[in-house]
Amino acid sequence: EDQVTQSPEALRLQEGESSSLNCSYTVSGLRGLFWYRQDPGKGPEFLFTLYSAGEEKEKERLKATLTKKESFLHITAPKPEDSATYLCAVLGAGSYQLTFGKGTKLSVIP
Amino acid sequence: SQTIHQWPATLVQPVGSPLSLECTVEGTSNPNLYWYRQAAGRGLQLLFYSVGIGQISSEVPQNLSASRPQDRQFILSSKKLLLSDSGFYLCAWSGYGFTNTEAFFGQGTRLTVV
Repeated sequence: EDQVTQSPEALRLQEGESSSLNCSYTVSGLRGLFWYRQDPGKGPEFLFTLYSAGEEKEKERLKATLTKKESFLHITAPKPEDSATYLCAVLGAGSYQLTFGKGTKLSVIP
Repeated sequence: SQTIHQWPATLVQPVGSPLSLECTVEGTSNPNLYWYRQAAGRGLQLLFYSVGIGQISSEVPQNLSASRPQDRQFILSSKKLLLSDSGFYLCAWSGYGFTNTEAFFGQGTRLTVV
């Protein structure tokens, strides 16, 4: 059974204070690891797909990296508008089903 | 570009009443379609997925059903709602076939059963 664990559950940062969110996973044959951003009362917004260990992707202040056991979402010099819940999900071999973690709620304080 | 529409955004229904939530996708053909439920403090739970018209797979036994009457339309239904059906329901789509992996979500429906 595919499993995803995200840590920490919640993170408070001062504006400009860089940090990382962790996503640990176990999956049979990784087809993709996904990061989403979710604002309160909204659907998840797709950010990145990573397919293999060593891969990195960047978007504005966000950078996602992948190893064989975990992924990190690095946030550089965050701004208050980066406040949201960040979700990690995996897709295993032979499956149509994304397995999600419970998310990390990020709060960036001005 | 592709867009996904989901409605209504908010719904309050009495116990025992029926439910119909609708989702449509524009700008793509033969999408894979999904219904997820998100409960507070828990991850997203896949309820149903569909790879084509009339093809529905259920991941969790429950009081809900799904139908796909048209290629880009996905409907979540219940004949009699339970209190435990309350939650945030999300429709999503991904590209046709097994190789397209990213899923894109609608804005969700907040269902409260009273």
